[in-house]
Amino acid sequence: QKEVEQNSGPLSVPEGAIASLNCTYSDRGSQSFFWYRQYSGKSPELIMFIYSNGDKEDGRFTAQLNKASQYVSLLIRDSQPSDSATYLCAVRRGGNKLTFGTGTQLKVEL
Amino acid sequence: DTEVTQTPKHLVMGMTNKKSLKCEQHMGHRAMYWYKQKAKKPPELMFVYSYEKLSINESVPSRFSPECPNSSLLNLHLHALQPEDSALYLCASSHDRAEAFFGQGTRLTVV
Repeated sequence: QKEVEQNSGPLSVPEGAIASLNCTYSDRGSQSFFWYRQYSGKSPELIMFIYSNGDKEDGRFTAQLNKASQYVSLLIRDSQPSDSATYLCAVRRGGNKLTFGTGTQLKVEL
Repeated sequence: DTEVTQTPKHLVMGMTNKKSLKCEQHMGHRAMYWYKQKAKKPPELMFVYSYEKLSINESVPSRFSPECPNSSLLNLHLHALQPEDSALYLCASSHDRAEAFFGQGTRLTVV
């Protein structure tokens, strides 16, 4: 079982819709969770981080964490073509080891 | 300011060359990371320095040698690389156990 799993996609959504990206993790000791956006040929850019169960909102982005289900998600409201990228889920157990999922490719269509 | 600066942005080296990648941050972060990323794959952790000491080495071949001269700088020394080592090399930094910020990466090609 992979430590961090994501559906590779592509996930296609129309412009203006809500994009829902999901991530599961295997280690129940995981403590902090991150979403990065990566455009082709560029480096990962931090979008959101969440440490506690529940929702965390920042602008058009909402991160959701459910530690009992070992599940973290990212919602993008009012999706724009500029949101088209690969979204990487990353998990930190404790210490400084940050492990990435394989990423989900999001395509926002006009 | 969440800037991590990596140099060079691009590097082409032969298999017998020795080169170094450099990374700098001035955010007061005490954890610094090297990741390797191949095309269409996620970043793969190579090394972590915490408070200028190597804390994680993910069984990386010895032809990759990290160095942390001080709390702001991180180097990756390269020697006798193979073509399969061609990748995007990413440096990141964070406060201890917090969110990590990435530099723009060095695109390495081994010929």
